[in-house]
Amino acid sequence: NAGVTQTPKFQVLKTGQSMTLQCAQDMNHNSMYWYRQDPGMGLRLIYYSASEGTTDKGEVPNGYNVSRLNKREFSLRLESAAPSQTSVYFCASMSSYNSPLHFGNGTRLTVT
Amino acid sequence: QQQVKQSPQSLIVQKGGISIINCAYENTAFDYFPWYQQFPGKGPALLIAIRPDVSEKKEGRFTISFNKSAKQFSLHIMDSQPGDSATYFCAASPEGAGSYQLTFGKGTKLSVIP
Repeated sequence: NAGVTQTPKFQVLKTGQSMTLQCAQDMNHNSMYWYRQDPGMGLRLIYYSASEGTTDKGEVPNGYNVSRLNKREFSLRLESAAPSQTSVYFCASMSSYNSPLHFGNGTRLTVT
Repeated sequence: QQQVKQSPQSLIVQKGGISIINCAYENTAFDYFPWYQQFPGKGPALLIAIRPDVSEKKEGRFTISFNKSAKQFSLHIMDSQPGDSATYFCAASPEGAGSYQLTFGKGTKLSVIP
């Protein structure tokens, strides 16, 4: 049982480049999330998808777009990367309201 | 506006001691308060959670204490072990089906020294 799988694990981009972070879960969860983690800032919600077919902005959505491809997959796209987007990105999923949030192991992104 | 304030930012405890991490919230609509534990290189994982209808919940060496009137909750780790060394996040989410957003505190890095 893989849980939440994120790819890639590491990525280095130059300013202005684009990339897509992939996330897939095999737990048949309805809700999926993208967080970023920065030192001293905790976990901040970028976007979430409460159910297949819906997406909503979180606390820090600027510079990002998301796609809920199907129930399993939720991708995060950076159209024009900036150094301020250097962070560790976590995808997570939840089966229903206020049930445990299951996290992947993160993607460490550096933008130079 | 930080809705969940967590302290301390870092904590060093001797093996066998008690680790205490505190959180305070502002939004009275919050009704679910989980704690997450994160080891280096891993994603956070749910440790223990409480709802405001109880004042305390215990699971093994981990206890959540909840004070609704003060809008505060805390995590106590009894008999702390080096394996407990991790970053701990408190979180909160509002009531009502359809409320899917967890708001996290900024985290506490716990180091348990032998």
